[in-house]
Amino acid sequence: AQKITQTQPGMFVQEKEAVTLDCTYDTSDPSYGLFWYKQPSSGEMIFLIYQGSYDQQNATEGRYSLNFQKARKSANLVISASQLGDSAMYFCAMREYGNQFYFGTGTSLTVIP
Amino acid sequence: EAQVTQNPRYLITVTGKKLTVTCSQNMNHEYMSWYRQDPGLGLRQIYYSMNVEVTDKGDVPEGYKVSRKEKRNFPLILESPSPNQTSLYFCASSKEVAEPSYNSPLHFGNGTRLTVT
Repeated sequence: AQKITQTQPGMFVQEKEAVTLDCTYDTSDPSYGLFWYKQPSSGEMIFLIYQGSYDQQNATEGRYSLNFQKARKSANLVISASQLGDSAMYFCAMREYGNQFYFGTGTSLTVIP
Repeated sequence: EAQVTQNPRYLITVTGKKLTVTCSQNMNHEYMSWYRQDPGLGLRQIYYSMNVEVTDKGDVPEGYKVSRKEKRNFPLILESPSPNQTSLYFCASSKEVAEPSYNSPLHFGNGTRLTVT
């Protein structure tokens, strides 16, 4: 079974609007960490936000927030007030026991002016 | 500056010609790993290392070798490259963390775009 599932290959959003990128994960461990990365067209991988499995509150970093629903095993990334520079690939990842990282297949986000 | 440095950025080679992609980190991280990125498949782990002289296979290890003789370096070796190894490769490192908080992210190098003809 896939450890990380991102079901949206491509998404479009109007500039200044909010957008949600979906991520579901699969683990039987009670301890794990969830991460989102951004990959612009230049290719580098940029760490955006982290959520721990025991965190009571949803993580936020500037315009990025993580909608963490533990019972549903989902960790959706919300980008508020989209900007043209947000156009990129976005990857969801999980780290669990053994310090292994698992990545999803990514979502390509296009911000429309 | 804390960073992961991988070289070269671009590499074009021919089938069967051995090559090495170097990776070095200056953050004293225990954990290092190699990924390949292919369209529609995301990032797939090739090999990882928890510490010096400790390496393990990831999801797609066939055709690759690694070594971890020093903590900072983790080279990726293709003994006999084939066209299906044409891909974008990333080296990454992280602190090793203990339960319950796996809160240390992966730090990535800038990638190596490999073409095997």
